[in-house]
Amino acid sequence: NFMLTQPHSVSESPGKTVTISCTRSSGSIASNYVQWYQQRPGSAPTTVIYEDNQRPSGVPDRFSGSIDSSSNSASLTISGLKTEDEADYYCQSYDSSNGVVFGGGTKLTVL
Amino acid sequence: QLQLQESGPGLVKPSETLSLTCTVSGGSISSSSYYWGWIRQPPGKGLEWIGSIYYSGSTYYNPSLKSRVTISVDTSKNQFSLKLSSVTAADTAVYYCASFRDSTFDYWGQGTLVTVSS
Repeated sequence: NFMLTQPHSVSESPGKTVTISCTRSSGSIASNYVQWYQQRPGSAPTTVIYEDNQRPSGVPDRFSGSIDSSSNSASLTISGLKTEDEADYYCQSYDSSNGVVFGGGTKLTVL
Repeated sequence: QLQLQESGPGLVKPSETLSLTCTVSGGSISSSSYYWGWIRQPPGKGLEWIGSIYYSGSTYYNPSLKSRVTISVDTSKNQFSLKLSSVTAADTAVYYCASFRDSTFDYWGQGTLVTVSS
């Protein structure tokens, strides 16, 4: 089984850029797509990035995703931070042996 | 656009079986494009995948829960269901159903809180 490890929390000021990492414990990060979900308090998660770097319609281009094979990690970058971006963010991947795996989540504070 | 809605008891006694149903509207559960999944979130904690099912009945379970989980599908009612046996307080969580396509959970239900308590 593999795990996805995220920082517990990050904080940044409005207008700035923040990056949230998601490190895969075993196996290549590039071997299976990574998705990112945003979850506001009391609500179900919504997809902000799918297939490593694709944005669903309606998600602003301030959100971007990437993977880095050298660190075996995926990253979610949010630029031009807004207070409305304050939420929990989860990475997720999938493989046929382990099924679906979620990262532990990162609380983003915009202050 | 798909809509999913969880239903079932909000309170389950320890050692009993938790049973939830997800009703899908706005599309057919028999679509070849989708799998259907259950995810849970204990209060104040992260997301945990429970398992998924295809309309044909093929199932995929989280190895850590596999011995206690059964997911089934009823195509005639456009529903799929979750049974989790021998529950304890650690199973208290918000339970979500969701559609799964191209490695992504793209549509989610609103979630339902299930509390395990005597």
